[in-house]
Amino acid sequence: QKEVEQDPGPLSVPEGAIVSLNCTYSNSAFQYFMWYRQYSRKGPELLMYTYSSGNKEDGRFTAQVDKSSKYISLFIRDSQPSDSATYLCAMSAPSGNTGKLIFGQGTTLQVKP
Amino acid sequence: DSGVTQTPKHLITATGQRVTLRCSPRSGDLSVYWYQQSLDQGLQFLIHYYNGEERAKGNILERFSAQQFPDLHSELNLSSLELGDSALYFCASSPRGGITGELFFGEGSRLTVL
Repeated sequence: QKEVEQDPGPLSVPEGAIVSLNCTYSNSAFQYFMWYRQYSRKGPELLMYTYSSGNKEDGRFTAQVDKSSKYISLFIRDSQPSDSATYLCAMSAPSGNTGKLIFGQGTTLQVKP
Repeated sequence: DSGVTQTPKHLITATGQRVTLRCSPRSGDLSVYWYQQSLDQGLQFLIHYYNGEERAKGNILERFSAQQFPDLHSELNLSSLELGDSALYFCASSPRGGITGELFFGEGSRLTVL
């Protein structure tokens, strides 16, 4: 079983829809939770970063972390065709200051005009 | 543009060969990370260097090695290549130890082993 599970999709939605992307994890030591976006043939870029539990909002994006359920979510409001990409959740534990991230498999999102 | 530069962008080679991938981190970033991305394994952490010193190793094969030079650029050496080594290799950098996960990724080097 992988430490981080993420449905690879693909997920196809019409423009303007609310998108929900999710990951589950098994390691209770994870404290830092991130969402990266990866466009085709590009490197991942950091979208959202959350420490421990709670919500964080940035424009059309909201990240939620529920540590009791070991479940994180990314919501995209008013989705745009430019949001079409692969979304990767990532997590890390604070010990050792290693910068080692554990990534989910990524969910491919297509937003249709 | 993340500011992280990787060369070459594409590389095709044969089994048994050796290749070197190069990474220049963002200006001022002391940490360099290498990740491997493949269809079946996803994005996997290989190794982390901080200011020239190895900080952590992940699922890096013994045939692979890396180093970070005094000017902070890094190289990933892959030897005795196998078909299964075909993947995208990403370099990332961060100003600190990267504990918060705020990494800046390059565009990757796509390695094809024939």
